[in-house]
Amino acid sequence: GQQLNQSPQSMFIQEGEDVSMNCTSSSIFNTWLWYKQDPGEGPVLLIALYKAGELTSNGRLTAQFGITRKDSFLNISASIPSDVGIYFCAGKETSGSRLTFGEGTQLTVNP
Amino acid sequence: EAGVAQSPRYKIIEKRQSVAFWCNPISGHATLYWYQQILGQGPKLLIQFQNNGVVDDSQLPKDRFSAERLKGVDSTLKIQPAKLEDSAVYLCASSFGTGIDEKLFFGSGTQLSVL
Repeated sequence: GQQLNQSPQSMFIQEGEDVSMNCTSSSIFNTWLWYKQDPGEGPVLLIALYKAGELTSNGRLTAQFGITRKDSFLNISASIPSDVGIYFCAGKETSGSRLTFGEGTQLTVNP
Repeated sequence: EAGVAQSPRYKIIEKRQSVAFWCNPISGHATLYWYQQILGQGPKLLIQFQNNGVVDDSQLPKDRFSAERLKGVDSTLKIQPAKLEDSAVYLCASSFGTGIDEKLFFGSGTQLSVL
């Protein structure tokens, strides 16, 4: 089945810094989703991408659907303490196919 | 709008016991999913329902796991008998459809500890 490689596994940054994380797949995806999960909660959808090359923002978050359709990137600008959590990418090959999740990037923001 | 409801939030059982989890999806969402999330990993799909029919249960360990969605709304996931390796968070998610623009909304999960 599809595999998603998400990196980095963890990040430790200072408040105010920018953050980048990415996800690559072994096959072409037609949908990329980025989720954030806080401790004890389920993942919450941050950004959805549906076209190759698409760049979408949600406040301080910006995500891009890679041109090759095998990767996606998430950037967080001017990080704040509440950005702490685990960020997951998820991809879907075609309409009706299962959504595959990456292993997550654990983000720690030091005040 | 109410989100995906799950209960219980926590469950501790001994191996070989049975356990059941309940999920009520967002109103109007035809598609319902059960995911297993082991500590330090991303969610892994166990089973997908479209209304009351099973769409994908290829990753469900059918010798011990079962799930149903009899009236096409809420769903239960059962494990019988439980093993130590079943310790995980069980997440329920729902979506309006399964098209390329599908967006999954998750509940808070049930954290299961098998001792």
